[in-house]
Formats: sequence, structure tokens, C-alpha cells
Amino acid sequence: GDSVTQMEGPVTLSEEAFLTINCTYTATGYPSLFWYVQYPGEGLQLLLKATKADDKGSNKGFEATYRKETTSFHLEKGSVQVSDSAVYFCALLRGDDKIIFGKGTRLHILP
Amino acid sequence: GAGVSQSPRYKVAKRGQDVALRCDPISGHVSLFWYQQALGQGPEFLTYFQNEAQLDKSGLPSDRFFAERPEGSVSTLKIQRTQQEDSAVYLCASSAGGRKKDTQYFGPGTRLTVL
Repeated sequence: GDSVTQMEGPVTLSEEAFLTINCTYTATGYPSLFWYVQYPGEGLQLLLKATKADDKGSNKGFEATYRKETTSFHLEKGSVQVSDSAVYFCALLRGDDKIIFGKGTRLHILP
Repeated sequence: GAGVSQSPRYKVAKRGQDVALRCDPISGHVSLFWYQQALGQGPEFLTYFQNEAQLDKSGLPSDRFFAERPEGSVSTLKIQRTQQEDSAVYLCASSAGGRKKDTQYFGPGTRLTVL
């Protein structure tokens, strides 16, 4: 069945470091892909999305490119800040309109 | 309020008790979703409403779980005869349109602990 696999955390980086959180998916057809973020004590927020192959989603300095050939949607940011500390979820939207989430990756940024 | 709100934020129940979790979606949002998030896992779909109609309940894990949205606004997720495996964070989300493809806005969740 459809699934999302993302790298296990926690990921700990120093401020201004480069960030990559890997995400790969298994799906029939061509799902839309998402990254959600959950800051401490808050609800899930949509961070960025891409709806078709080679699309690049971007927001708040984060980027992810929909790679159909490698079934990947890796999240990247060139220079992380302490305020980026959160849990990040990769997700896909199936053909029947259900969202499938990965398990989440906890990110700690040290000042 | 501006966002999706849920109450209570925390709920402790003894095994066998019934619980009711409330979701107040963003005003005017047509679609409402419930998800269950176990510890260390991503959210999993439970059920979906479009206005007052429950169009999809395929994710409800057992017949002990029941959801309603009688006036097409506030929704309640009820769990009867709670079991320890029901312990999780229950998330509610709403979206403006009548299609699931619209962006979903999530509430902070209710953390249910069954002892």
C-alpha cells in the first residue's frame, strides 16, 4: 500500500548549518506531496507542497523538490535557526484523498 | 478564534470509561477531519465530514469510535469503553472547500491517556 518513509530523528544541528531531512514514498499514480511542521505545543502546519513531478515547494527558506524518478521529496534549508526546532512530517495525498503521513523527524537546533 | 480549537487538551480516562473530544473548526470551513497520532508516529486518518455529512469513516479502528457533526460546524469524537490502545493524540483539521485536496488546518490536539 501507499506509504511514506522519512529519516529517523532526532536530528541535532548547530545554528546556520545546512539541513536535509530525507523522505521517500511509495504510491500508485502521482500523489501530491507535503511537508508539515509541528512546533512545540502547537498544531500541525503545512510548510510546503508540490503537486506534480519536478515541482519545487518552498516556504520560510525551506525547499523540497518532487522527484518521481527517485520517489523522493527531501526537505532542505541552507541555514537553520533555533526557531526551526520542531517535528517535521512528510506526507502524501492519495488518489482517494486520504493523507498518509511519515512518522516524523524531530529537529533540534543548538545556538 | 482564528484557528481550529480542540478541547480538552488533555484527558485521562480509566479503562472502560467513555470519552468525548470536541473540535471547533475554522468558521465557515466545509470539511472536517479527525486523525489519531500514536506516540512516535505520524497522524492516521480516522474520518471525514463535509458539512454535517460523514462521507468517510473508513479509518475508525472499531465500532467503539463514533464521530458526529450535527450542524456542520462543531464536531465530537466519542470513544466508548476506552482501552489502553486508544491512548494517543487526537487531531482535528478543517479545510475551506468541499474537496479533501484543499489545505487542511490542524488544531493542537487532545492527548488521551487511558489507564
